[in-house]
Amino acid sequence: DGGITQSPKYLFRKEGQNVTLSCEQNLNHDAMYWYRQDPGQGLRLIYYSQIVNDFQKGDIAEGYSVSREKKESFPLTVTSAQKNPTAFYLCASSLRSGVEQYFGPGTRLTVT
Amino acid sequence: AQKITQTQPGMFVQEKEAVTLDCTYDTSDPSYGLFWYKQPSSGEMIFLIYQGSYDQQNATEGRYSLNFQKARKSANLVISASQLGDSAMYFCAMREGGGSQGNLIFGKGTKLSVKP
Repeated sequence: DGGITQSPKYLFRKEGQNVTLSCEQNLNHDAMYWYRQDPGQGLRLIYYSQIVNDFQKGDIAEGYSVSREKKESFPLTVTSAQKNPTAFYLCASSLRSGVEQYFGPGTRLTVT
Repeated sequence: AQKITQTQPGMFVQEKEAVTLDCTYDTSDPSYGLFWYKQPSSGEMIFLIYQGSYDQQNATEGRYSLNFQKARKSANLVISASQLGDSAMYFCAMREGGGSQGNLIFGKGTKLSVKP
């Protein structure tokens, strides 16, 4: 069935290491998004991509990087430059003409 | 200034009762969309309901309805006949601009607890 997959569900890393979070969708959506959620907070946009090979920074892009080589995939790399990487990361996608964004199950990243 | 404000950090409701979750927004764009999402403890975000700024009628989806008061810039979510499974975090969000794509701006959420 169609949907968005994010793996893994939980991820643990040591400080100073880069880590890549996976996001794949088989909904044939053009646009994809990455959000970060901290405890007791709403979601904040990190990066988004409306088309393959193109992406834009969101509100909190510092310390993160993305790529969009395929329509189905939008991986997020949390670099060592991100000062507070421990958070819940959610990926979403939408149709170009769509209203709502569909979300994946999220990845909980813990950096110690 | 916050674009989306949810003033209720937590709410309790008795099972089978109705509950209203508040949301106010701030935008100078005449074209915008308002969304409500549910986030259970498992973490995924579930889309509930959408209201466009030019929609004449309040949106409804099953037990969910959106009480849209444009002049007051409020978009409250009403859940009728609450069920135990409605216990979750609820987020109000806004997208500015006339395009169908754009970034969602989220409020901080309201935690709803349904009591049996």
